[in-house]
Amino acid sequence: DADVTQTPRNRITKTGKRIMLECSQTKGHDRMYWYRQDPGLGLQLIYYSFDVKDINKGEISDGYSVSRQAQAKFSLSLESAIPNQTALYFCATSDFRNGYTFGSGTRLTVV
Amino acid sequence: AQSVTQLDSQVPVFEEAPVELRCNYSSSVSVYLFWYVQYPNQGLQLLLKYLSGSTLVKGINGFEAEFNKSQTSFHLRKPSVHISDTAEYFCAVSGQGYGGSQGNLIFGKGTKLSVKP
Repeated sequence: DADVTQTPRNRITKTGKRIMLECSQTKGHDRMYWYRQDPGLGLQLIYYSFDVKDINKGEISDGYSVSRQAQAKFSLSLESAIPNQTALYFCATSDFRNGYTFGSGTRLTVV
Repeated sequence: AQSVTQLDSQVPVFEEAPVELRCNYSSSVSVYLFWYVQYPNQGLQLLLKYLSGSTLVKGINGFEAEFNKSQTSFHLRKPSVHISDTAEYFCAVSGQGYGGSQGNLIFGKGTKLSVKP
């Protein structure tokens, strides 16, 4: 099994719908992150969490919310999806000094 | 806060030629530096990292990078590229502080390396 698992891998949804992207990890890391990747913009941080009770906004949190259900699980929600949220979303975990371990990504299309 | 600038958005190069992908960073604190690679339709894979010690860091697939503190740079190099190196490369920086947002990884916008036969 992969160290960081994201589901679904691909999703097409309609404008205004609520959607949840899920992430689970087996690394045992406390820190978890959600990033968004757009062509030419690199990866931008949406939310990050240091533990179940510590959740923080990143650079581009507007329109998104998260839930840290357990040390190993970190979900990203779009309450009312809009087309400019079409992007590739990555979940990652970290033990701080050794860099991040990324999931395979979720390709989200909002139509 | 940290920031990263990747100076070239695209780098075309012929197979077996050397390549350098440039990365500059800005930070008010000491940093850790990373290069990640993303092959088409895949996730991100760590190429190499600088945490401390020797400023020349060797990574996977024959890549290496040199940390230059005075020039705030961390350029990625490979002496001879292969077609299979075609990918997008991301430079990233984090502060060495553990608390708050200092340890968050901040990415550059990426450099697309295209290796031609």
